[in-house]
Parts: sequence; structure tokens; C-alpha cells
Amino acid sequence: EAQVTQNPRYLITVTGKKLTVTCSQNMNHEYMSWYRQDPGLGLRQIYYSMNVEVTDKGDVPEGYKVSRKEKRNFPLILESPSPNQTSLYFCASSFTGNTEAFFGQGTRLTVV
Amino acid sequence: KNQVEQSPQSLIILEGKNCTLQCNYTVSPFSNLRWYKQDTGRGPVSLTIMTFSENTKSNGRYTATLDADTKQSSLHITASQLSDSASYICVVKDSNYQLIWGAGTKLIIKP
Repeated sequence: EAQVTQNPRYLITVTGKKLTVTCSQNMNHEYMSWYRQDPGLGLRQIYYSMNVEVTDKGDVPEGYKVSRKEKRNFPLILESPSPNQTSLYFCASSFTGNTEAFFGQGTRLTVV
Repeated sequence: KNQVEQSPQSLIILEGKNCTLQCNYTVSPFSNLRWYKQDTGRGPVSLTIMTFSENTKSNGRYTATLDADTKQSSLHITASQLSDSASYICVVKDSNYQLIWGAGTKLIIKP
């Protein structure tokens, strides 16, 4: 089944403790991206990647890191999480930046 | 500033009725416009993608329209079903590969 898989689905952590949210797609998509969604706001792009080893900042990259060492995986790294990074995170993939995007199920992160 | 505004913020209709959701944008230059359906707590699912030259696109009971001159789009849902209850999000892509997301319209279908 074609899908985008994020892990974990739920995570509660403390301020400053490094964490990684994994994202994997099995559709051989070139384009992958990370979003955060907060109540009352539209999804905001954190980082995107147009291909392996190519990443770029989205609208709200501060406090986040990504890597794209292989086509299928695009992990999101929070080196020192803070409470304002409490949010619902989505990973998405598509063949290109112009085609339909497929989203993961989301990761609900709480930083206390 | 590139913006996407949707209206209404929320809408309640009876099962079987039709409804139309609106999207106005100020994104320039424009590449394409997308409508997504998002069930509560789940990832968005694509309904339609329209480029500058397309005026209408359908996906089952969903029909999206685009007026690139006035920078307006609408999503019309015909014969609504309970499963249509969700947030509907308008997304505009500029030519720099940036996606600008609207805040969405929350649609509730009542039996």
C-alpha cells in the first residue's frame, strides 16, 4: 500500500531533550516536506526537500533540522525542543513540487 | 504579502444539501491551486489541483472552480454525506515552490 509513515504518532517530551520524528514514503517520490499545524492557523511549511541531499527552508525553520540521505526517508530533528514547538506535525511527499501531495498521519508533539 | 483566505470559517448543513466554500488569494506569481480535505487529527487528502488555465475540475461530488483574474476559487459539494464532515483547505502554490495554506473551512454535516 502506497503511504507516508510517521513515527511516533504521539510524543511528550521535556524542554531541551533532543528528539527525532521519522518519516518514510514508499512511492519513490522526489519531493518531501514537513509541516506544523496549530489551532486556527493553516499548515506552515518547516522544511522541504526536492531530492536526495537537497533541502531548503520553508516558512518556519527555526529550531528544526532535517536530512535527506536517502529518497524514502526525511527525518525531522528538534535539537533542543521548546514549549512553542508543541504542535501537530505532518510529513508529506509527492513526485514533484507541482503534483499531488500525500500526507502522513501526523505526530502530535507536546513539549513541557 | 502572499495570503490565502477562506470563508466561511465554519458551516453546518443538513445531509443531502449542497454547499459552496470560498477561497480568495493574493499569491503572486501563481502556479497552481489545490483543495484538500482534512478529517480531524489526520493528514490532508488531495481533492483537486488546478493550474492557471483550468476553470473547473471535478472529483466525484466535489467541483472546484478557479477565476485567476479575480484570484478566487470555490469548492462546491453536491448532495452532502455525513462523511463529508471535515475541514476543507485551499492551498496556493507560487512559482518559487512555496505553498501558502489557508486556515480552512470546518464543515459539519448533520443528519
